[in-house]
Amino acid sequence: DIVMTQSPDSLALSLGERATINCKSSQSVLYNINNKNYLAWYQQKPGQPPKMIIYWASTRESGVPDRFRGGGSGTDFTLTISSLQDEDVAVYYCQQYYTTPPTFGQGTKVEIK
Amino acid sequence: EVQLVESGGGLVKPGDSPRLSCAASGFIFSDAWMSWVRQAPGKGLEWVGRIKSKTDGGTTDYAAPVKGRFTISRDDSKNTLYLQLGYLTSEDTAIYYCTTDKAVAGRAFDNWGQGTPVTVSS
Repeated sequence: DIVMTQSPDSLALSLGERATINCKSSQSVLYNINNKNYLAWYQQKPGQPPKMIIYWASTRESGVPDRFRGGGSGTDFTLTISSLQDEDVAVYYCQQYYTTPPTFGQGTKVEIK
Repeated sequence: EVQLVESGGGLVKPGDSPRLSCAASGFIFSDAWMSWVRQAPGKGLEWVGRIKSKTDGGTTDYAAPVKGRFTISRDDSKNTLYLQLGYLTSEDTAIYYCTTDKAVAGRAFDNWGQGTPVTVSS
């Protein structure tokens, strides 16, 4: 199975600051045939189910604010929130769907300082 | 609007075999690949298994911890996904979510239900 490792486990920033979450996979999730990274990001707010916000490593899901940006390729990925808002308080998970079983990172908790 | 509504959870005893349901609406269910993902209390997300559409073979895949104990099935006439749980232990205590696997996103999980909690305790 591909192991997904996120860092940091948590971060607390002030409103308006940039948040960066890292995600590393134990093997590449880049499929050379279509040049796509099989990597998604999910946001889970307290008491709610997860919500997909990024797929193909950098494609924002419809309706997701453009302050959320996904980047990276191969084994190293980032989720950046350019200007942290109150409504962004959540746990964020990366997930690879390159192979079965799809696997998730352990999550990164984002809070407002 | 896509809606996924899980049901069938609750307090169950070790060794019980409850069946969870996921009622789907707002999309062509028979064309969809569907997954179950679970989340133990205070923990992260764990994929449980998937069923493909019948046109793609209708086959199932399972995570190692549940293979041989859990069974995923679907009734396209009722737009309903099922998860039969078996040989339950306390390790299976979790919220169980059903998801759609988005084809154009390579099968990332684009829609989630609210989940149904399963607590395994004697």
